[in-house]
Amino acid sequence: AQTVTQSQPEMSVQEAETVTLSCTYDTSESDYYLFWYKQPPSRQMILVIRQEAYKQQNATENRFSVNFQKAAKSFSLKISDSQLGDAAMYFCAYPRGGTSYGKLTFGQGTILTVHP
Amino acid sequence: DTGVSQDPRHKITKRGQNVTFRCDPISEHNRLYWYRQTLGQGPEFLTYFQNEAQLEKSRLLSDRFSAERPKGSFSTLEIQRTEQGDSAMYLCASSSNQGAQAKNIQYFGAGTRLSVL
Repeated sequence: AQTVTQSQPEMSVQEAETVTLSCTYDTSESDYYLFWYKQPPSRQMILVIRQEAYKQQNATENRFSVNFQKAAKSFSLKISDSQLGDAAMYFCAYPRGGTSYGKLTFGQGTILTVHP
Repeated sequence: DTGVSQDPRHKITKRGQNVTFRCDPISEHNRLYWYRQTLGQGPEFLTYFQNEAQLEKSRLLSDRFSAERPKGSFSTLEIQRTEQGDSAMYLCASSSNQGAQAKNIQYFGAGTRLSVL
């Protein structure tokens, strides 16, 4: 069974600084997607970034980037130039079946606090 | 594209009552998912539709839970004889298997928060 582990229940960062959120996963698939979702206090889950495992290049979306280590099954999220609006719960997620079936398994989440 | 809509946003009910939630996915998304999220935890998968067919149900979905997607568009999740343990946020998501960029990305609604007294 696929599992997703986020070992940091809470993280904090100063505004404009950089923070990295960790995620490890377990799968027997060779090709798959990985996702980071953000859930602000309003509770709507928003996709932050997506990584395709067959791509060697780490995904980036503006201030958000990932460090994808396939062999280590590690998928960390780096937030650069942190902003107050980045404060939220962040979830790492893996779709069962890797790419063709989207049922998501989520990690336990990391609460990110951004200090002004 | 107005996003995934869920109704109601909040529901308070007494133990033993039946409740029904509705989800309207992004138009033309053929896949629809229901998840349950308790406070401070990640969402847990409940069930999944492709068009009108319910393809998978989690073991979390007891016999008191039923979901439908009759015309392959909106979906309803009904909980019969609610229990206090059913109190949670119920999230709906939709996705499409078309288009390289959008494929397999699940877009979530704001959820329905259920409180069972």
